Amino acid sequence: AQSVTQLDSQVPVFEEAPVELRCNYSSSVSVYLFWYVQYPNQGLQLLLKYLSGSTLVKGINGFEAEFNKSQTSFHLRKPSVHISDTAEYFCAVRSDSNYQLIWGAGTKLIIKP
Amino acid sequence: DAGVIQSPRHEVTEMGQEVTLRCKPISGHDYLFWYRQTMMRGLELLIYFNNNVPIDDSGMPEDRFSAKMPNASFSTLKIQPSEPRDSAVYFCASSLGTHNQPQHFGDGTRLSIL
Repeated sequence: AQSVTQLDSQVPVFEEAPVELRCNYSSSVSVYLFWYVQYPNQGLQLLLKYLSGSTLVKGINGFEAEFNKSQTSFHLRKPSVHISDTAEYFCAVRSDSNYQLIWGAGTKLIIKP
Repeated sequence: DAGVIQSPRHEVTEMGQEVTLRCKPISGHDYLFWYRQTMMRGLELLIYFNNNVPIDDSGMPEDRFSAKMPNASFSTLKIQPSEPRDSAVYFCASSLGTHNQPQHFGDGTRLSIL
């Protein structure tokens, strides 16, 4: 069965500092990977996705993620965060054998001024 | 482009009342999902439809919950009778019917059952 683990429930970071939000998945088949962001009182919005090809994926708002098949990870990074990045970030995985998205528990990104 | 539209945005009602949440998916999308989000349980998939047909409703918590999709542009999630533990944010999402397509979410309905 597929599963997604987001290792940190909260990540506090100073403004303009770099950040990495970790995501590990388990699956015995090829997967498609997604990161979503949820701003307060809003729905989830797609940040970026990995389907195939280059393992470094760039998304909106300066975020990027790297797919690492050997470590079954898809960590999200941003070189310099802004106060507007305060949100909850969700990692999700889907395989060809199952149409449902399997979601991580989410990581709250807290930006300290 | 119009995104996924949910109504109402907020609903406050007393326990025992019937609650109906509504969703209009993005035009052309053939998959529709209903999720519930709470602090305790996070994001839970309740049910999803393909071409208006329910495919998997194993996430529906109880018989008090029901969902319909009478046509490609409208879906409802109904709770009857409602209970305080149903208080949550309910999201609708839609997507195109291939595995590499993302889901697009509405802004959610914040439901409070008193």
